[in-house]
Formats: sequence, structure tokens, C-alpha cells
Amino acid sequence: QVQLKESGPGLVQPSQTLSLTCTVSGFSLTSNSVHWVRQPPGKGLEWVGAIWSGGSTDYNSALKSRLSISRDTSKSQVFLKMNSLQTEDTAIYFCTKQLGFSAGWGQGTLVTVSS
Amino acid sequence: DIQMTQSLASLSASLEEIVTITCQASQDIGNWLAWYQQKPGKSPQLLIHSATSLADGIPSRFSGSRSGTQYSLKISRLQVEDTGIYYCLQRYSNPYTFGAGTKLELK
Repeated sequence: QVQLKESGPGLVQPSQTLSLTCTVSGFSLTSNSVHWVRQPPGKGLEWVGAIWSGGSTDYNSALKSRLSISRDTSKSQVFLKMNSLQTEDTAIYFCTKQLGFSAGWGQGTLVTVSS
Repeated sequence: DIQMTQSLASLSASLEEIVTITCQASQDIGNWLAWYQQKPGKSPQLLIHSATSLADGIPSRFSGSRSGTQYSLKISRLQVEDTGIYYCLQRYSNPYTFGAGTKLELK
């Protein structure tokens, strides 16, 4: 069945770079998009960006200058890198398959930006 | 950016009651609208896609509708397990945007 799992550091210092990995199974990255969505503690959902089945990417314009999404199809992994982190980037980061069309979310990983 | 407005931040209803949650888009988004349910400490779960299509495995008491730029999620007979926060999502244009959420509780 479809599974996604996020991994990465739980704590990042301000101004540093966040690197997250989403490892998927049960579907192909070359046939499905993967999106990143984040949720500050106790708040709503924010779309971060996506990598499409063909490998192209789209980013939330508010984050675009700091964000990079890539993938390794041989390992069924999608990567998120966000630089110049600030405290407002503290959130649970989810990866999800075909946002808005298909079921399939990771359990999320909490990233705390703090010194 | 397209704004998705869920006018009700919270809603309280009784078991078996009919519940309607609405979402207003700031511009035409066609049927590029999805509904999600999120329970505490869990990932969101897709309920409705393409404005009116029931996602796989979702009970038929959930339904979605559209009138212009207003979208509605209807629960025909509220059950205990339906409590949670409901979000709408527009996938019409970048950046994709969620509504602020409507928290549904049992009365």
C-alpha cells in the first residue's frame, strides 16, 4: 500500500539549512507528484511546494527564494532543503502524494528552529 | 494568491444531525477543490476531491458541492468519529492554499 515517511533533524538553529527526506513506497515517483505541506504547532496547513512526476518543481512564492525540492527515483526519495531558517519556520512538515487528489500522507516530522 | 475563506472557525452539532461546512474562494477555481479532515496528532485525510468526488474509503455520508465560488462539505448524519478540523484546499493555481479550518465538535 501507499506509504510515505518523513525524516530529518528535529532541531535546527536559526539561519541554518533544513534538510528533510520523504521516503515513499507503494507507488512510483515517475508517475505521481509529491508535495510538502507544513503546519505550525496549533495552526493551519500551508503548501510548501511540489515535485511533479516529470521532475519539474513548483514552490510557494513566499518561500521560493529559500527552497529546493529534488528527488532520487532509484531510492524512492524526495528531498526538501530550506535555507535561512527562522523561528516562524517551526512546524510539522508533511509529505503527501498527489495533494488534493489522492490519499497518502506521511505522519509528519516536527522541525523546531531554535538556538 | 487565491484566498480560501472558511467563515466558521468552529461548529458544534448533535449526533445524527446534518452538518454543512462552507468555503469561499476569492476567485474562480473551477472544481479544483478538495476537503480534508484532520484529527489531533494525525495527518490530514482526504475526504472529497474535484469538489464533488468522494475519496476512496470515505463513508457516503460525506458529500461535496459547488455553487459558483462557494464550496460546501455536507455530513448527512453526524457520527462520533467525524469530530476534527476540516480544511478546504484549492489546487487551481500556485500557491495552493488551504482555508483556515473549521473545528467540528459534538454537542
